Amino acid sequence: DIQMTQSPSTLSASVGDRVTITCRASQSINNWLAWYQQKPGKAPKLLIYKASSLESGVPSRFSGSGSGTEFTLTISSLQPDDCATYYCQQYNNYPRTFGQGTKLEIK
Amino acid sequence: QVQLQESGPGLVKPSETLSLTCTVSGGSINNYYWHWIRQPPGKGLEWIGYIYYSGSTSYNPSLMSRVTMSVDTSKNQFSLKLSSVTAADTAVYYCARADGFGQPIDYWGQGTLVTVSS
Repeated sequence: DIQMTQSPSTLSASVGDRVTITCRASQSINNWLAWYQQKPGKAPKLLIYKASSLESGVPSRFSGSGSGTEFTLTISSLQPDDCATYYCQQYNNYPRTFGQGTKLEIK
Repeated sequence: QVQLQESGPGLVKPSETLSLTCTVSGGSINNYYWHWIRQPPGKGLEWIGYIYYSGSTSYNPSLMSRVTMSVDTSKNQFSLKLSSVTAADTAVYYCARADGFGQPIDYWGQGTLVTVSS
């Protein structure tokens, strides 16, 4: 199985800050990476697919980059509504695997 | 817009079989890949497997010996069975959709909590 490792595990930032979350794969997944946002008690929501493609309806402050084994999710200007846990998931191979999550808190 | 809704018992006894159904509305079950993912309380996401509308499946090797998925296209439903459950199987179970074999999961159900306890 491909292991996905996110960092940091928790992150505290202020409204307006630029925030970056990293996801590393244990082997190359090309650019077959998705980012999800999950709020408490809710299902995950797809933000980014194919490493850098923005899902329809997702605010443009979210962006993704990377290929191979290292990827980043960036929020250009943090908003209060962005308080959530973020997960990366590779879909290059089965079984599909997720990172352990990054909990983003607003200061 | 497609909607997914999980249904099934919220409490299952140890050693018994967990059974869940996902009903798809607002779209056809045909030509899509239908996934199950679970999340133990306070923990991360674990992919369980998928079933294609035609019935072909792929399961997580960690659960393969206990998982069975099925699909009923006439009812726009697909199902999950997990046998010989233990407390470690207590989780929120999500059904979800992917547009293709190598596509990300784009639609999720709201999730249903299944507790394994006597």
